[in-house]
Amino acid sequence: EAGVVQSPRYKIIEKKQPVAFWCNPISGHNTLYWYRQNLGQGPELLIRYENEEAVDDSQLPKDRFSAERLKGVDSTLKIQPAELGDSAVYLCASGSTGELFFGEGSRLTVL
Amino acid sequence: GQNIDQPTEMTATEGAIVQINCTYQTSGFNGLFWYQQHAGEAPTFLSYNVLDGLEEKGRFSSFLSRSKGYSYLLLKELQMKDSASYLCAAMDSNYQLIWGAGTKLIIKP
Repeated sequence: EAGVVQSPRYKIIEKKQPVAFWCNPISGHNTLYWYRQNLGQGPELLIRYENEEAVDDSQLPKDRFSAERLKGVDSTLKIQPAELGDSAVYLCASGSTGELFFGEGSRLTVL
Repeated sequence: GQNIDQPTEMTATEGAIVQINCTYQTSGFNGLFWYQQHAGEAPTFLSYNVLDGLEEKGRFSSFLSRSKGYSYLLLKELQMKDSASYLCAAMDSNYQLIWGAGTKLIIKP
């Protein structure tokens, strides 16, 4: 069974540029999460989807971040414009109540 | 507020036993999770406790006391490959996971 797939693995951009991350969850998993993780810290929830519906986006900085999950499967997370402080690993995870399966993450460096 | 506390770093010797503690405060409780994260990799699921007591899974065991808001992860017969960060996460009444910052475990030969 294929795991959670994310792309790109690495992205380096200059500040004020846009960036997008893509996630394909495990087949059949209705719940999808986007997390941000900084070095030495735990994952920080950005948004949680149940099928197509964003059920928790309270931590998403909506002035620059947006996300969508069309047809309740794949999801994209966009940052526009990126700031220096956005440098982090962006993790996508899918699952149900608790046991989350994570993708390998997208490491963003903003210069 | 909701909070998870766990030590920042621990050191142990290969072949020994180590216990990583975690205390939590959440709005409601729907279980306690432990994840392992090797450097540069994504977290992987280790264990889930929702009832008081000890859950054993091979060399790893996890314990929960709901009345004390306390859990620990016990690793036996430590191997060098166990060097990683161990993340404690509690699920609140809205089924949201509250994550700790992780405990970096260093294994020495």
